[in-house]
Amino acid sequence: NAGVTQTPKFQVLKTGQSMTLQCAQDMNHNSMYWYRQDPGMGLRLIYYSASEGTTDKGEVPNGYNVSRLNKREFSLRLESAAPSQTSVYFCASSGGQGAGSPLHFGNGTRLTVT
Amino acid sequence: GNSVTQMEGPVTLSEEAFLTINCTYTATGYPSLFWYVQYPGEGLQLLLKATKADDKGSNKGFEATYRKETTSFHLEKGSVQVSDSAVYFCALSDPGGNEKLTFGTGTRLTIIP
Repeated sequence: NAGVTQTPKFQVLKTGQSMTLQCAQDMNHNSMYWYRQDPGMGLRLIYYSASEGTTDKGEVPNGYNVSRLNKREFSLRLESAAPSQTSVYFCASSGGQGAGSPLHFGNGTRLTVT
Repeated sequence: GNSVTQMEGPVTLSEEAFLTINCTYTATGYPSLFWYVQYPGEGLQLLLKATKADDKGSNKGFEATYRKETTSFHLEKGSVQVSDSAVYFCALSDPGGNEKLTFGTGTRLTIIP
């Protein structure tokens, strides 16, 4: 089972460049999430989508946009990358069964902005 | 707002030692509580969870009990193995009923043979 698939695995950008991080899940989950992981700060929620057609801001949305393209796919876009966006980005999905539902994570995208 | 405070690491133990990683939380209402584990180069995986007070989650020899009176969810294992070396995250769900998680900062565990 593929689970949650993220592309690319690694990316280096120059300040001001744009890029889109792709995420797809094959578990028929309703909810999808983008987190960023930084040393000493754990994981912080950027955006989430409770269902197809809806998106909401998380804790750290500034500088990012998202698209829930369909039930399977949830992309994260950096319009003008900044060094502060150097991080590891994780996509996750969950089955929509309420607060006890676990999240299933992809393997991450390591992004460096120079 | 919701928050999770986790024992700072890194933690280094010898094989077969007893492990405790402390986790306390602040939340309104009654969140579900989780421990996730991250192995090198991978995403996070659910290790165990508890959805109400006094519940004990367990998996792969790890245990944690949801203590409402002390707002804690400490992770324990009686005898660790080298393969347990990883980063461990405590997390809580939004008590409002959706599935968003708030994570602690993570604890890096290294087990020495």
